[in-house]
Amino acid sequence: AQSVDQPDAHVTLSEGASLELRCSYSYSAAPYLFWYVQYPGQSLQFLLKYITGDTVVKGTKGFEAEFRKSNSSFNLKKSPAHWSDSAKYFCATATGGNNKLTFGQGTVLSVIP
Amino acid sequence: GGIITQTPKFLIGQEGQKLTLKCQQNFNHDTMYWYRQDSGKGLRLIYYSITENDLQKGDLSEGYDASREKKSSFSLTVTSAQKNEMAVFLCASSLGTVSGNTLYFGEGSRLIVV
Repeated sequence: AQSVDQPDAHVTLSEGASLELRCSYSYSAAPYLFWYVQYPGQSLQFLLKYITGDTVVKGTKGFEAEFRKSNSSFNLKKSPAHWSDSAKYFCATATGGNNKLTFGQGTVLSVIP
Repeated sequence: GGIITQTPKFLIGQEGQKLTLKCQQNFNHDTMYWYRQDSGKGLRLIYYSITENDLQKGDLSEGYDASREKKSSFSLTVTSAQKNEMAVFLCASSLGTVSGNTLYFGEGSRLIVV
């Protein structure tokens, strides 16, 4: 069964710093990997996805993520971070052709101005 | 663009009561989903539907029923509300399979059991 782990429940950093949110996954087949973001009081929004091809994928709002098969990771990055990036971020995975998106526990990011 | 509308935003009920949440989407998407969001536990899939009148169980379907009578709507019923299932319920939709398509989420419905 596929699963996703986001080991950091909370991450706090100062505006202008680089952010990296960790995500690891387990899978039995080639994974499709996603990041979603939930701003306070809002619904989840898609940020980016990896399906195949280039292992570094770029998404909305200046975010990017790198798929690393060697250590089963799909970490989310942005530099520099802005206070408006404060939100809860979810990593998710699915396998080809199925309709089940499995989410991690989420990481709350606080960017201090 | 489109929108997903969940009603009600807050649903308050008594223990043992049957309670229903509704979701409408105007994306004309084929697939719709219900997720439950508990604090610190991420999102867990309750039910999904790949077309009108189709229902597929997720990881957390016990204690819930779902209904997809129209392509644009998907409802979720808590068959007997319990205090330990107070959570936010999120409806989502996608054009096709989730592996290739983005999910679009509603703003959520919070269930409160008294």
